[in-house]
Amino acid sequence: EAGVAQSPRYKIIEKRQSVAFWCNPISGHATLYWYQQILGQGPKLLIQFQNNGVVDDSQLPKDRFSAERLKGVDSTLKIQPAKLEDSAVYLCASIQSGTGTVIETSYEQYFGPGTRLTVT
Amino acid sequence: ILNVEQSPQSLHVQEGDSTNFTCSFPSSNFYALHWYRWETAKSPEALFVMTLNGDEKKKGRISATLNTKEGYSYLYIKGSQPEDSATYLCAFFGPQAYSGAGSYQLTFGKGTKLSVIP
Repeated sequence: EAGVAQSPRYKIIEKRQSVAFWCNPISGHATLYWYQQILGQGPKLLIQFQNNGVVDDSQLPKDRFSAERLKGVDSTLKIQPAKLEDSAVYLCASIQSGTGTVIETSYEQYFGPGTRLTVT
Repeated sequence: ILNVEQSPQSLHVQEGDSTNFTCSFPSSNFYALHWYRWETAKSPEALFVMTLNGDEKKKGRISATLNTKEGYSYLYIKGSQPEDSATYLCAFFGPQAYSGAGSYQLTFGKGTKLSVIP
């Protein structure tokens, strides 16, 4: 079974530029997460999708970050405009979770390799 | 704000040594405790998902215990090998206070970075 795919793996941009990250979860996985991991910190959830709907985006800085999962499969996370403090690894993860119950969403998450963003 | 603490932050051990790390988490509203291993330039991968107080899980030379009443979990590595070098993350799964809708998500600790010296 193919794992969670993410691209690009690395990105360097200047502040105030825009950037987009792509994630393709494991086939059949209904729930998809985007995390931000700043150096020295643990991953922090930005947004959770169940199929093509947003379950929780309360920690997403909506003035500059946006995410979509239009067909309920792959997803894109965008930052516009980027700030220095956005330098981080952006991780995508997925779980099967057919009905999105609390018990199902407590299962192990399958992560992609992440995108390392450097904002200069 | 949920607090998940891991110690130590980093650890250097000789090949063949056994080692252990600690994860502490809230003892209320507990659903699950996850352990992940994250090697440099690779994807984090799940080691264990633990749900019951007193749980003990084992995978090869790695094992973990769980105490939900006092809010801690230990991860043990027996006979460390260079390929065990990685960051070990624990994550608490439960309701998040920041989300008024009572969202349930993983809250990660900062990780323990293990370096095994050949």
